[in-house]
Amino acid sequence: KQEVTQIPAALSVPEGENLVLNCSFTDSAIYNLQWFRQDPGKGLTSLLLIQSSQREQTSGRLNASLDKSSGRSTLYIAASQPGDSATYLCAVKGNQGGKLIFGQGTELSVKP
Amino acid sequence: GAGVSQTPSNKVTEKGKYVELRCDPISGHTALYWYRQSLGQGPEFLIYFQGTGAADDSGLPNDRFFAVRPEGSVSTLKIQRTERGDSAVYLCASSSWTGEAYGYTFGSGTRLTVV
Repeated sequence: KQEVTQIPAALSVPEGENLVLNCSFTDSAIYNLQWFRQDPGKGLTSLLLIQSSQREQTSGRLNASLDKSSGRSTLYIAASQPGDSATYLCAVKGNQGGKLIFGQGTELSVKP
Repeated sequence: GAGVSQTPSNKVTEKGKYVELRCDPISGHTALYWYRQSLGQGPEFLIYFQGTGAADDSGLPNDRFFAVRPEGSVSTLKIQRTERGDSAVYLCASSSWTGEAYGYTFGSGTRLTVV
């Protein structure tokens, strides 16, 4: 059974700092991995999707990496801003079916 | 529509009552998913539709939970004899495939509180 773990559960950093969020998964037979952002009381917004054959994806100040063999992904946020404050979730999709398995999220707070 | 719409946004019900939660996906999206999110946790998969049929309902916790999508667009999640442990945010998402080539679009959720 696939399990997804995110560390840390919460993180507080000063504005401008670069930071890394971690995600690990127990079954390396994944089809893809996604990082989502969730603001309080809102749904999820997809940030980056990495197919299993890819090593990383970049969008603006965000860079996500994937090491499928070790069951790890990281989300790197450069030059953090207060507007980055949110909960970040990673989710993996297996090779069969459409469901996503989510981690519990990392709650990020960027202080001005 | 422009996004995934979920109604109501909030629902308070008494223990033992029946509730229905509605999801209106993006037009043309064939796949629709229901997830449940408890406070401080990530979303937990409940059920997934491909068209009108439930392709995977392995996440439904028990037979009090049921979902339908009769015309392949709008879906309704039905909970019978609600319990306080059913309190959570229920999220709906849709995608044009099964998510293999496209990302998911999530609704804002229905916050269900059972008192």
